[in-house]
Amino acid sequence: AQSVTQPDIHITVSEGASLELRCNYSYGATPYLFWYVQSPGQGLQLLLKYFSGDTLVQGIKGFEAEFKRSQSSFNLRKPSVHWSDAAEYFCAVAPNYGQNFVFGPGTRLSVLP
Amino acid sequence: KAGVTQTPRYLIKTRGQQVTLSCSPISGHRSVSWYQQTPGQGLQFLFEYFSETQRNKGNFPGRFSGRQFSNSRSEMNVSTLELGDSALYLCASSLGTVDNEQFFGPGTRLTVL
Repeated sequence: AQSVTQPDIHITVSEGASLELRCNYSYGATPYLFWYVQSPGQGLQLLLKYFSGDTLVQGIKGFEAEFKRSQSSFNLRKPSVHWSDAAEYFCAVAPNYGQNFVFGPGTRLSVLP
Repeated sequence: KAGVTQTPRYLIKTRGQQVTLSCSPISGHRSVSWYQQTPGQGLQFLFEYFSETQRNKGNFPGRFSGRQFSNSRSEMNVSTLELGDSALYLCASSLGTVDNEQFFGPGTRLTVL
């Protein structure tokens, strides 16, 4: 069965600092990988996705993620965090059909001024 | 283009009652997926409808059901409500293949007393 782990439940960084959120997945083949962000009281917004090709993908809001097959990881990074980045971040995997995503437990990001 | 809308936004029910939630997808989208979000279990896939047919189903009891109409609007029904059904129910719409972005609605917050 597919599964997604996000080892960090809560991360606090200072504004302007760099950020890395970890995501590991378990899946028989190379899955489709996603990062979503959820602000309080909001639905989820897609930050970026990986299907194939270049293992470093660029997303919106200055985020990027790197797929590492050998480590079954898809970590999200941002070089300089803004206060508006405070939110909950979810990593997700999907089989190569349908829309039945499996989400990780989420990492809550707090940003200090 | 209007986003995904969900009605109602908030709902309070008592144990044993049933509830129907509605989701209107983005115009042109034929796939609607439903997810349950709780603090303990996180985001869990309920089911996906594509062109009025259930295409994928998660691991939820039969009390959870859904349907999709010819205009792609979808409804989710939960019968015999339990306290544990209290959650944020999110719906997402897409064109229908995994490489198409899922757009999430703001969710319906269901509280079961």
